[in-house]
Amino acid sequence: AQSVAQPEDQVNVAEGNPLTVKCTYSVSGNPYLFWYVQYPNRGLQFLLKYITGDNLVKGSYGFEAEFNKSQTSFHLKKPSALVSDSALYFCAVRKGDYKLSFGAGTTVTVRA
Amino acid sequence: NAGVTQTPKFQVLKTGQSMTLQCAQDMNHNSMYWYRQDPGMGLRLIYYSASEGTTDKGEVPNGYNVSRLNKREFSLRLESAAPSQTSVYFCASGGYSTDTQYFGPGTRLTVL
Repeated sequence: AQSVAQPEDQVNVAEGNPLTVKCTYSVSGNPYLFWYVQYPNRGLQFLLKYITGDNLVKGSYGFEAEFNKSQTSFHLKKPSALVSDSALYFCAVRKGDYKLSFGAGTTVTVRA
Repeated sequence: NAGVTQTPKFQVLKTGQSMTLQCAQDMNHNSMYWYRQDPGMGLRLIYYSASEGTTDKGEVPNGYNVSRLNKREFSLRLESAAPSQTSVYFCASGGYSTDTQYFGPGTRLTVL
């Protein structure tokens, strides 16, 4: 069974509008959740993580994510999207002590 | 501080040929990982090494072998390449449990 689901293959928004990339998880116990971004022909870059504590996590480049235990979700958000935010975004959850399980990815396109 | 480096960046092989992908990190991380990225499938873990001297299988280990040469270096070997191994390969390093994984720039491999 998939541990992380990203229900949208693509998200399209206009520059300046809010951006949301959805992620749901299905692991037992307390989840450790991560968001990564991949720009074309580059490796993955870490954006933010949720381990414990405040349900709203702030990360790099103005991104934030909200952990919702009842809905088993960890959606990535940015209040005002930039064209430079166009990229492939991955949600991941820790499985075991060392391994990450990734979602299939969501392609974000921000139009000028 | 180069982070995680990978060589080569690109490689084309014929079916049945062998090759080794190299990875090194300078962040003094204990754990290292090899992933493959295929369209629509996210990243899948091939092998990982929780610490120097140990290696373990991930989700898709068939057709691959690894060597943790020392704390810095973790190589991935394809003994007899197959077209199904055409992919982008990423090396990552990180720590235990809640620690972030950091990714290299990737190797784009094509097997003809």
